Amino acid sequence: QAGLTQPPSVSKGLRQTATLTCTGNSNNVGYQGAAWLQQHQGRPPKLLSYRNNNRPSGISERFSASRSGNTASLTITGLQPEDEADYYCSAWDNSLSARVFGGGTKLTVL
Amino acid sequence: EVQLLEAGGGLVQPGGSLRLSCAASGLIFHNYAMSWVRQAPGKGLDWVSTISGSGGSTYYAESVKGRFTISRDNSRNTLFLQMNSLRAEDTAVYYCAKDQVLGHYGLDVWGQGTTVTVSS
Repeated sequence: QAGLTQPPSVSKGLRQTATLTCTGNSNNVGYQGAAWLQQHQGRPPKLLSYRNNNRPSGISERFSASRSGNTASLTITGLQPEDEADYYCSAWDNSLSARVFGGGTKLTVL
Repeated sequence: EVQLLEAGGGLVQPGGSLRLSCAASGLIFHNYAMSWVRQAPGKGLDWVSTISGSGGSTYYAESVKGRFTISRDNSRNTLFLQMNSLRAEDTAVYYCAKDQVLGHYGLDVWGQGTTVTVSS
C-alpha cells in the first residue's frame, strides 16, 4: 500500500520550534486528517494527536497539529531534550480500506 | 487504565507458523476495533491488520493477505494474529493497538510488543 510521506530527519535547537510534515492524498490525510505518534527508542509508540488537532489527555500543549489539503503538520514548541524521538503520522485510507503510516521523522534536539 | 499485553512471539523457520495473542484489560473490549502493527529492526511502523469490535469485519495489508488471519475472542478480551507461511521479511516487533474508532482517528493504546524472528 502507498504510505504517507514524511521527511526522514529534522534538527532544531533547544527551546526552538519544530514543524514536521506528512503528505498523503484525498483518500487519507485529505479526507479525515492525520494522527501523530511519538516513539522513543525501544518503546512503543504514543498517540500525540488525532483528527488534526485533538490531543489525548496528558499530552502537552506544546504539541499541536494542523492540516492543509493533503498535508498534515505537527508543531512542537519550546523543544526539550525529551522531545528527541521518532514521529509518525497515520491515517485511515478510505480507498484502500487500510491504515497507512508515514515513514517517520527523526527529530534531533541540538 | 487500558492495558494491552502481547504474547506468542519467538523464533520460527521460513514457511512456519506462529500465533500471537493480545490480552486487553481496563476497557469494554467489544466496543473497540483492534489492530496489529509491526516494526522491523531499524524501520518504521507498518500496519498489518484491523478487526472490528464484533469481529465481523477484517482488513489486511497486501503484504500479509492470504497468510495472516486476525481474530478476537470478546468473551476473553483477547485479540489474535495467526501467521502462516512466514518469511524473513515478517521479522519484526508486533504491537497490538486499540483503534479509537474503526476507520477513523488513530491508535490510542499500544502494547509493549512481542518479537517475531523468521530465520533458519
